[in-house]
Amino acid sequence: AQSVSQHNHHVILSEAASLELGCNYSYGGTVNLFWYVQYPGQHLQLLLKYFSGDPLVKGIKGFEAEFIKSKFSFNLRKPSVQWSDTAEYFCAVSTTSGTYKYIFGTGTRLKVLA
Amino acid sequence: DTGVSQNPRHKITKRGQNVTFRCDPISEHNRLYWYRQTLGQGPEFLTYFQNEAQLEKSRLLSDRFSAERPKGSFSTLEIQRTEQGDSAMYLCASSPNPGTDYGYTFGSGTRLTVV
Repeated sequence: AQSVSQHNHHVILSEAASLELGCNYSYGGTVNLFWYVQYPGQHLQLLLKYFSGDPLVKGIKGFEAEFIKSKFSFNLRKPSVQWSDTAEYFCAVSTTSGTYKYIFGTGTRLKVLA
Repeated sequence: DTGVSQNPRHKITKRGQNVTFRCDPISEHNRLYWYRQTLGQGPEFLTYFQNEAQLEKSRLLSDRFSAERPKGSFSTLEIQRTEQGDSAMYLCASSPNPGTDYGYTFGSGTRLTVV
């Protein structure tokens, strides 16, 4: 069965620190990959997505993610976090056919200290 | 606001009662999804509509759950004979273009508490 693992459940960083959140998925076929973010009190928002092509994708607010097919990974990075990045981050995978339903990871709660 | 709208935002109900939630997707979006999220977990897929057709249902969606999208616009999710285990956030999302996956636009969710 398909699954998505996010290794870090809680991360605490100081402002200006670098961020890397891990995401690994289990699926043998072609996938689309996503990172969603949920700021406190807000709905889930799309941060970035990967369909094909350049495995390094850039999203909003300075975030980027790298798809490494051999490792089944899609890690999220940001060189310098801000207090406003405090949120919960979800990695998601969809297969490339049919319903495009997503399998989400359990999420990573990021707290950035000012 | 042209986003995905869900009502009500919160619902507290007694065990055994029926509840119905509504989702209004972005008007030009053909695809509509319902997910459920419990504490400490990511959203889990419940069901999917393409226009008015319900094309997939998760095994999570027991016989007590039913969803409709009668005219391919808004959708409703009904839970009959609620149980405490149904307590969760119910999320609706929509997406355009059946042939591609641009990612979802989520609503703010309906938080259900069964007491």
